[in-house]
Amino acid sequence: ETGVTQTPRHLVMGMTNKKSLKCEQHLGHNAMYWYKQSAKKPLELMFVYNFKEQTENNSVPSRFSPECPNSSHLFLHLHTLQPEDSALYLCASSQDLNGARDEKLFFGSGTQLSVL
Amino acid sequence: SQQGEEDPQALSIQEGENATMNCSYKTSINNLQWYRQNSGRGLVHLILIRSNEREKHSGRLRVTLDTSKKSSSLLITASRAADTASYFCASRNGSSNTGKLIFGQGTTLQVKP
Repeated sequence: ETGVTQTPRHLVMGMTNKKSLKCEQHLGHNAMYWYKQSAKKPLELMFVYNFKEQTENNSVPSRFSPECPNSSHLFLHLHTLQPEDSALYLCASSQDLNGARDEKLFFGSGTQLSVL
Repeated sequence: SQQGEEDPQALSIQEGENATMNCSYKTSINNLQWYRQNSGRGLVHLILIRSNEREKHSGRLRVTLDTSKKSSSLLITASRAADTASYFCASRNGSSNTGKLIFGQGTTLQVKP
């Protein structure tokens, strides 16, 4: 295992539901990320947190709301989603954000989300 | 626009053969990384090559980097059915100290037993 745990593994929700995705890392990392992976598209970076502070919001619609209560936990709150939001949502962590160093990402197994 | 683009998009080989995947990128980089993803799972880091390195080995993996052509290749030797997965390159913009890691679309590799 990578040390990054995501729950749930699968989620089916209607467009009017509210649900949350959870991510927890046991690696002592300071940076955490949400990525969206749709079929036939590259991974899309959604949000980045460093030391609990959001450092990047990649023009993500407000129906996705991240929360990072501490460096080990990351949530993605979902409400009034659209069918096109169906995708695999991946959480990742890294030691920190310093791109000049050899930072690599550790990914969770993802939440496969289906919006009906 | 995406930083990395892999080629080919799909590759099917027989067990025992070598598999070569290529990646091109657009801006200067600090390092380039390769990741593997089994179907429906998260990505797993395979190998990292720094911008001042030209070749790196890890087990059956060999990665090359040509900064003049802004390209990298991943070679898997003596492939096994268990190597069946998608492979992604990822790179950081070298001009930024907090450059985000940008992934390509990936190469889907199928190794037939």
